[in-house]
Amino acid sequence: GESVGLHLPTLSVQEGDNSIINCAYSNSASDYFIWYKQESGKGPQFIIDIRSNMDKRQGQRVTVLLNKTVKHLSLQIAATQPGDSAVYFCAEISSGGSYIPTFGRGTSLIVHP
Amino acid sequence: KAGVTQTPRYLIKTRGQQVTLSCSPISGHRSVSWYQQTPGQGLQFLFEYFSETQRNKGNFPGRFSGRQFSNSRSEMNVSTLELGDSALYLCASSFTAGDTEAFFGQGTRLTVV
Repeated sequence: GESVGLHLPTLSVQEGDNSIINCAYSNSASDYFIWYKQESGKGPQFIIDIRSNMDKRQGQRVTVLLNKTVKHLSLQIAATQPGDSAVYFCAEISSGGSYIPTFGRGTSLIVHP
Repeated sequence: KAGVTQTPRYLIKTRGQQVTLSCSPISGHRSVSWYQQTPGQGLQFLFEYFSETQRNKGNFPGRFSGRQFSNSRSEMNVSTLELGDSALYLCASSFTAGDTEAFFGQGTRLTVV
């Protein structure tokens, strides 16, 4: 499959556990934050986004938490499954009318059956 | 419905040549964005097109250019190829400009030798 990065942080979990993937961002003026999942050999897949005026948003089995004080974003995956194994990226969208996303380096999630 | 289609999937070019990559968005989507993904730099935004107009541009040299046609299909061109241009080039489409929920294609793997 495609290599999306070398020396990525890796999170290994057992099937059924909850996973928490973290991301630090740099621009306190960013409007939106997005989480993507990228499986080997595929393009990134949108998971969930959150506006900067929110601190929590939930989706199907996923929750994103935003802490603007420390410029930290996290993605929580409940009851992790082997199909969740992938690289997860966060992205921040700068404000000011320009849609220019800046991506984190990614975290490799490995789910053991 | 069909997803985002990128052609070709793989390409090998020689330094100094130019290359054109193609992206067909999801039917009904009018915004197309391009990204470069490398192990060293991760995922980086190249540019976004909407209604045949470039709306935003990332921090890449002028050798990287693109266009969008009236049917929303997009092409990107890289002239005077350098070894460092070797990367996975990804295209994403969304319904409208600045839409955070974008759908990615599988990418074109460009190798410059």
